[in-house]
Amino acid sequence: DAMVIQNPRYQVTQFGKPVTLSCSQTLNHNVMYWYQQKSSQAPKLLFHYYDKDFNNEADTPDNFQSRRPNTSFCFLDIRSPGLGDAAMYLCATSRALRTSGLTDTQYFGPGTRLTVL
Amino acid sequence: KQEVTQIPAALSVPEGENLVLNCSFTDSAIYNLQWFRQDPGKGLTSLLLIQSSQREQTSGRLNASLDKSSGRSTLYIAASQPGDSATYLCARGGAAGNKLTFGGGTRVLVKP
Repeated sequence: DAMVIQNPRYQVTQFGKPVTLSCSQTLNHNVMYWYQQKSSQAPKLLFHYYDKDFNNEADTPDNFQSRRPNTSFCFLDIRSPGLGDAAMYLCATSRALRTSGLTDTQYFGPGTRLTVL
Repeated sequence: KQEVTQIPAALSVPEGENLVLNCSFTDSAIYNLQWFRQDPGKGLTSLLLIQSSQREQTSGRLNASLDKSSGRSTLYIAASQPGDSATYLCARGGAAGNKLTFGGGTRVLVKP
C-alpha cells in the first residue's frame, strides 16, 4: 500500500500559470518535506513542515509556497512557473522526536514531474 | 557549507560482483546517514539508515558503514544482480527535523 502519495504524477503547465502539487501520507508522520530534483542532479530541499511549523530554506525562491492544512496533506504552490522550474518534485515524510534528537527514515513519494511550456 | 560527495558518478560491474559505493561528507556533526535507491523517473526508496551513534547497518545483501571521524560512509551490495541497476544516493541528516543533504549519486549498471 502506498504510504506517501503524490498527485498528479505528471503536470504540464504554461509559463507563468500557477500550479499546485499535492502530497498525502498515511504514516501519521509529523514532518513533511518538499524537494526539487532537476535532471541528473541531487534532490534539493525547498522547505519542510515540522508539525505546523513551516521551515523555508534560505535559497528557496519566493515563487514557491507551501501549505499544510492537516497532518496528512501538504501542498506545493508555484505561483508563476518559469522554464527553470521544470523538474521532478518529491514529497517526503519522517517521524522526528524533539525530545530525543533521534530522527527516522525519510519516506519518499513517487514524485510529480513538472513540465513548463 | 555542508557538502556530500559520491565518487564515482557511474559504475558498471558484471553480475555477481560485489558493489562498493562511497560517500564522503565534510561535517562530522551528523545526526544520521541514509542511503537511497532511485530508479529512472521514479522517487527515492530508502535502503538503510545509520544513526550517528552506530557504525553500520545491514539488510539482506546490503551493508552500510559509517565512520564519522573520516567523514565517510560505504554501501556494500553483495553478489550484484541486474535488478540492482539504479542510482544510489547517500544523504547526510543534519539538525533536528532531519534535513537531508544529498550527494550527487552513483549510477550503477549491473551487466548480466
